[in-house]
Amino acid sequence: SQKIEQNSEALNIQEGKTATLTCNYTNYSPAYLQWYRQDPGRGPVFLLLIRENEKEKRKERLKVTFDTTLKQSLFHITASQPADSATYLCALAPGSGYSTLTFGKGTMLLVSP
Amino acid sequence: GAVVSQHPSRVICKSGTSVKIECRSLDFQATTMFWYRQFPKQSLMLMATSNEGSKATYEQGVEKDKFLINHASLTLSTLTVTSAHPEDSSFYICSAVQGGNEQFFGPGTRLTVL
Repeated sequence: SQKIEQNSEALNIQEGKTATLTCNYTNYSPAYLQWYRQDPGRGPVFLLLIRENEKEKRKERLKVTFDTTLKQSLFHITASQPADSATYLCALAPGSGYSTLTFGKGTMLLVSP
Repeated sequence: GAVVSQHPSRVICKSGTSVKIECRSLDFQATTMFWYRQFPKQSLMLMATSNEGSKATYEQGVEKDKFLINHASLTLSTLTVTSAHPEDSSFYICSAVQGGNEQFFGPGTRLTVL
């Protein structure tokens, strides 16, 4: 069955450092992968989308890589700030024409001042 | 742009009652909306896909007679939890697709069934 794995343990880093979050998947061939931010008691907020034929995508301090051979995506936040503290979810979609997403459980990021 | 709202944000009800949750796309038309449920420290689980003007498509294991979905217009979808029980207590989140592949999520509704 399809499985998406994100680190269940919280990632603690110091302000200014680069945070790297991992998303691994099995039994899946996604057409694209998305990363979302979720704050406690709130709905997810879309951050980045990367397609299967793209290796890397950037947006301001965010960078996402997508390795379909390793079945892995890495999500980087450079120059992290305490305001970046949240849970980050990866989500996979099976095809380009339909938007059904399968979410991982998310990894909590805590950035200390 | 691409704002999705949900109402109510929190609801507490007695066991056996029905609860309606509204999901609205405020500044765009959404032919497709999705309903998710999220338990504490768990991932969002897709419950159903709601298409304007047609019946919703439910995921395996989700009872369509218990979770009634109506997508009456291009900006409104409603989820009604009928005869709610304590095990239905959860965080219900809707999302809407504007036209591309990204989904825009509502702020969620916390349902507590006593």
